[in-house]
Amino acid sequence: QLQLVQSGAEVKKPGASVKVSCKASGDTFIGYYIHWVRQAPGHGLEWMGWIYPKSGGTNYAQKFQGRVTMTRDMSINTAYLELSRLKSDDTAIYYCARDLYGWGDSYMDVWGRGTTVIVSS
Amino acid sequence: QSVLSHPPSASGTPGQRVTISCSGTSSNIGDNTVNWYQQLPGTAPKLLIYRNTQRPSGVPDRFSGSNSGTSASLAISGLQSEDEADYYCAAWDDSLNAWLFGGGTKVTVL
Repeated sequence: QLQLVQSGAEVKKPGASVKVSCKASGDTFIGYYIHWVRQAPGHGLEWMGWIYPKSGGTNYAQKFQGRVTMTRDMSINTAYLELSRLKSDDTAIYYCARDLYGWGDSYMDVWGRGTTVIVSS
Repeated sequence: QSVLSHPPSASGTPGQRVTISCSGTSSNIGDNTVNWYQQLPGTAPKLLIYRNTQRPSGVPDRFSGSNSGTSASLAISGLQSEDEADYYCAAWDDSLNAWLFGGGTKVTVL
């Protein structure tokens, strides 16, 4: 059964970049979409975008366009989220999640445990 | 501010029925199905209901979903203490070309 294993916590200074990884274990993520969703402390869930690992195609939420890059390394079944020009309000838990279709009547059925990113000077 | 609207909180005593609403628009709930996620304290979200009414394997049938027009609801029957969690609705928005989440409803078992 698929598990999504995320990288460890990060502490970054404002203006820096962070790269978080999400490795598929127990199954491949070929044929699925991988979403990135974040949750600031005490706040709700916020969708950042998805990557389709098979083609490398991406769809980013408008709020993050220009600052976010989603990539993948098929050889190690791993997806990456890179967020640049970090600000204090980027402090959040970043989750990856699997989805079969990416949009419409689809759904995120497997989630990683999350990666905490703290942005502080 | 979330485009999908939730009440911020709901509560009930053990055994009661609690209903959580989720209000959207014609470009999201009105045109696509709704999913519900349960987030227990300190854990990742978990898929609870998908495509308006479907339960993944392992989700108790105490949880049920419904959809009408531009609104959706999640009902928890026979409320139990382990149901204390945050609940989020989610739907694809055709105009924004993006997934939207509700702001979340915190359910408290009194």
